[in-house]
Amino acid sequence: GAVVSQHPSWVICKSGTSVKIECRSLDFQATTMFWYRQFPKQSLMLMATSNEGSKATYEQGVEKDKFLINHASLTLSTLTVTSAHPEDSSFYICSARTGNSNQPQHFGDGTRLSIL
Amino acid sequence: AQSVAQPEDQVNVAEGNPLTVKCTYSVSGNPYLFWYVQYPNRGLQFLLKYITGDNLVKGSYGFEAEFNKSQTSFHLKKPSALVSDSALYFCAVRDIGGGDDKIIFGKGTRLHILP
Repeated sequence: GAVVSQHPSWVICKSGTSVKIECRSLDFQATTMFWYRQFPKQSLMLMATSNEGSKATYEQGVEKDKFLINHASLTLSTLTVTSAHPEDSSFYICSARTGNSNQPQHFGDGTRLSIL
Repeated sequence: AQSVAQPEDQVNVAEGNPLTVKCTYSVSGNPYLFWYVQYPNRGLQFLLKYITGDNLVKGSYGFEAEFNKSQTSFHLKKPSALVSDSALYFCAVRDIGGGDDKIIFGKGTRLHILP
């Protein structure tokens, strides 16, 4: 149980295009979803937290107009990287949980984004 | 603010030997602590958590962690390492400050199990 599906697993696109990443909780309702960015050999950097039906809360230094997050239902959140540039290339990981942070977060397998 | 520290970037252990991955925490109030594992090009998998109760917490894949309040530590342990345990391990702590309810990850420790 508690499976999170993230799609696509990898994407390569040209600079200036927008890329959408989907995160779905397959067998539970995700009241809260998180989006992380991970650089090589580094820890996870929390980008934003979203609760279903509410606007996402972005961490300091994360551009909300650059990284659009939508959490329209209890099973789906999307991250759109708008007008992507090479510096946006990274490994993006979503996670989801039910309830408060006493409960474990369940992670997707990540999306490797490469901007040429 | 709540935080965790993982003092080792990398730990090497021979297969069959016991392993320990270290984590110390700094919190105000009672700590809620977690361990996660990440395999290459994958997301994180939950291993175990400490909320309250017994100081020795048992988790997935034969791992356990010992909560030590006096040393503010929450080290991950396994009695006999397997090559398949080689991965990146993250300690994490709950942070509910400032209206947030999230967990904060340590920088990670890469575990190499040598055959």
